[in-house]
Amino acid sequence: DQQVKQNSPSLSVQEGRISILNCDYTNSMFDYFLWYKKYPAEGPTFLISISSIKDKNEDGRFTVFLNKSAKHLSLHIVPSQPGDSAVYFCAASDRNTPLVFGKGTRLSVIA
Amino acid sequence: NAGVTQTPKFRVLKTGQSMTLLCAQDMNHEYMYWYRQDPGMGLRLIHYSVGEGTTAKGEVPDGYNVSRLKKQNFLLGLESAAPSQTSVYFCASRFGLVNTGELFFGEGSRLTVL
Repeated sequence: DQQVKQNSPSLSVQEGRISILNCDYTNSMFDYFLWYKKYPAEGPTFLISISSIKDKNEDGRFTVFLNKSAKHLSLHIVPSQPGDSAVYFCAASDRNTPLVFGKGTRLSVIA
Repeated sequence: NAGVTQTPKFRVLKTGQSMTLLCAQDMNHEYMYWYRQDPGMGLRLIHYSVGEGTTAKGEVPDGYNVSRLKKQNFLLGLESAAPSQTSVYFCASRFGLVNTGELFFGEGSRLTVL
């Protein structure tokens, strides 16, 4: 039973436009959500996070939105750059258990 | 400033052979994790440790054993490798008792079982 779902395996976006990556979760106990970015042949690196007490967190070009009632979060990248091409993993935690990861979305930013 | 280091980075095994993956972190982190990444499956937790001398099972623990004899090291063992264990293995670590997230990952170890 998949607790964190990323239903889009891949996404292509033009350079300069907005990238929107989506993530849904089923466990209502989750209260902390994170996005990780992974380049080929490297380990994932932390990108941005949000606590369940917030509905938005922004860090430069990256913004994460959380809709608790819908159990949905999204990552917005504006403007998208070719260097953003990577696999993005959504992850969630209830603070007492290890992070649960989604299957990832491969973002391709086309110049 | 090495962070999380995994050895070896690549290994080819025959079915039934055994091996150990070593993870070392120099950040004095309490928590350490082993994940595997397979195409279309994301990152799945194999085992984890909340401190020296402790281990716990994750989502996919079968066929693996772990040990955390020293705080900085977390070993993942395969006693009798199977082709289904062909994967990329990632070790990760983090601080603290409160799970506010950020894991630091190693670069991965690619294992092929023939």
